[in-house]
Amino acid sequence: AQKITQTQPGMFVQEKEAVTLDCTYDTSDPSYGLFWYKQPSSGEMIFLIYQGSYDQQNATEGRYSLNFQKARKSANLVISASQLGDSAMYFCAMRDRFRFGNEKLTFGTGTRLTIIP
Amino acid sequence: SQTIHQWPATLVQPVGSPLSLECTVEGTSNPNLYWYRQAAGRGLQLLFYSVGIGQISSEVPQNLSASRPQDRQFILSSKKLLLSDSGFYLCAWSRSGFSGLREETQYFGPGTRLLVL
Repeated sequence: AQKITQTQPGMFVQEKEAVTLDCTYDTSDPSYGLFWYKQPSSGEMIFLIYQGSYDQQNATEGRYSLNFQKARKSANLVISASQLGDSAMYFCAMRDRFRFGNEKLTFGTGTRLTIIP
Repeated sequence: SQTIHQWPATLVQPVGSPLSLECTVEGTSNPNLYWYRQAAGRGLQLLFYSVGIGQISSEVPQNLSASRPQDRQFILSSKKLLLSDSGFYLCAWSRSGFSGLREETQYFGPGTRLLVL
């Protein structure tokens, strides 16, 4: 069974500093995808970044990058030069290919990030 | 571009009353559709997903049901609400077909906050 673990329930970071949000996963499927979502106080889940298990390079999207360490089964999100608008809940999620048509995303419990001015 | 709508945005209902939440997607055809529930301060729990009209898979047995009467419409219903049905309900869509995992990223709607009293 899939499992996603986010061990940081909350983090406080000074504005303009970089922040790393931890995510570890467990799957027996060699083909899988890892996703990060941001959920501001409005509630909408915003897709940030994707990493495939066979991708050779770490994913980057603007200020977001994913530190993918396959052997350690970790997929940490790095936000560079944090901004006040980055304050939100962040969820790590995984999708595997164990069964064709298996459309399920498994989510972690999230990390609440607060950026301090 | 694709957009996903949910309504109502908020809903307060008495215990034992019926429920109908609607989700519609624009700008794509034959999407995969999902209903998630998020309890306060928790992660997301997949309730139902659909790969086509009339095709519904249930992930968690409960007093909720889902229907897909049209290609881009997904409805979450209940005949009698329970207190435990309170939460934040999110609808999501992804592209269908056996493509790369990146292309099957799930995109979420704005959500419906349901309070059962």
